[in-house]
Amino acid sequence: DVKVTQSSRYLVKRTGEKVFLECVQDMDHENMFWYRQDPGLGLRLIYFSYDVKMKEKGDIPEGYSVSREKKERFSLILESASTNQTSMYLCASSLSGGNEQFFGPGTRLTVL
Amino acid sequence: GQQLNQSPQSMFIQEGEDVSMNCTSSSIFNTWLWYKQDPGEGPVLLIALYKAGELTSNGRLTAQFGITRKDSFLNISASIPSDVGIYFCAGNAGGTSYGKLTFGQGTILTVHP
Repeated sequence: DVKVTQSSRYLVKRTGEKVFLECVQDMDHENMFWYRQDPGLGLRLIYFSYDVKMKEKGDIPEGYSVSREKKERFSLILESASTNQTSMYLCASSLSGGNEQFFGPGTRLTVL
Repeated sequence: GQQLNQSPQSMFIQEGEDVSMNCTSSSIFNTWLWYKQDPGEGPVLLIALYKAGELTSNGRLTAQFGITRKDSFLNISASIPSDVGIYFCAGNAGGTSYGKLTFGQGTILTVHP
């Protein structure tokens, strides 16, 4: 079975802090994705990566950056956290050319 | 960007009832997917549809890829309490999208025993 793990289930940070969210998948998937989930808005794509060191902006990249130094690991970085970034963050992966994404358990981030 | 309209936004049903939800798009999709999210967890893939008109079942769940390629529906028969959760539709437009998905807003399902 595909396994996608995220570094933290719950995280509380202060405004202005730099925040790192890490995601690791164990199925050798080429594609990895970061979403945020807010009530009534569904899942919105922040960034995705289709190969090591490659990254593409999603629909809401402002205030975020990403890093993919190894195939299995995709990190989401909040350079200076703000209260409007309080949300559930979900990581997913899929095979190259595939549409079926597999999700991690999510990180619920609260920015105070 | 592309948008998916998912309805209803929420449903409150009695155990044993059947459930139907749907998703519509203003543009064509090549793939439709249905996910379920349990409280506090990530979404889990239920059904994937790859061909217009395709009807696929997974236990008590049945989903169809609309013939116009702009819609899809999910039915749950004889609901049980563990069906509670948020159901999301998702679509992929194909081409060079790298497997990017567009998600609906979700349907929150509550099942009363």
